[in-house]
Amino acid sequence: DAGVIQSPRHEVTEMGQEVTLRCKPISGHDYLFWYRQTMMRGLELLIYFNNNVPIDDSGMPEDRFSAKMPNASFSTLKIQPSEPRDSAVYFCASSPRTGQALHFGNGTRLTVT
Amino acid sequence: QQQVKQSPQSLIVQKGGISIINCAYENTAFDYFPWYQQFPGKGPALLIAIRPDVSEKKEGRFTISFNKSAKQFSLHIMDSQPGDSATYFCAARKSGTASKLTFGTGTRLQVTL
Repeated sequence: DAGVIQSPRHEVTEMGQEVTLRCKPISGHDYLFWYRQTMMRGLELLIYFNNNVPIDDSGMPEDRFSAKMPNASFSTLKIQPSEPRDSAVYFCASSPRTGQALHFGNGTRLTVT
Repeated sequence: QQQVKQSPQSLIVQKGGISIINCAYENTAFDYFPWYQQFPGKGPALLIAIRPDVSEKKEGRFTISFNKSAKQFSLHIMDSQPGDSATYFCAARKSGTASKLTFGTGTRLQVTL
């Protein structure tokens, strides 16, 4: 079991650029979550999918953020255009079914200058 | 709006001591209360969890105490070890919301020799 795989581990970009974060969930898991972690706000849920369908995107901060899950083994979180306040660690997590523990990846540390 | 309040923000405990982290919630629709442990550079990982129909759950040196009437729950780490040094997050989930978790702001625990 390779766990949840996120890429890249670190991303440094300039304000205004497009950023794409990638996630491969654990095989067989039905749920996929995107979280953002900052010192000020802690862990915030951005969006989650069930069987590749977005269920709740109420945590997506702005229209600059979008997420897709084209198949069961891949998801992306895109920020366009990026801003310095988007700097954070972004985590992807997956879960096998309702009520089961979340399995987190090691995150992508995003720095927008 | 912070639905799960966690304290303290940081904690220093001597090796062999007891570490206690507290959380409080307002929403009575929460029905699942996990604790996650996060080491630097890693994603959070499930440590222990409890449902409101029991007042205590113990797994090894880790115990959750749950007070439904007070809407509070706490994590106790007995015989704390330097390897327990990490950030701990409490969380809560509303019934019927899959694995969608609301996290506390985290407690950074340092266990000294």
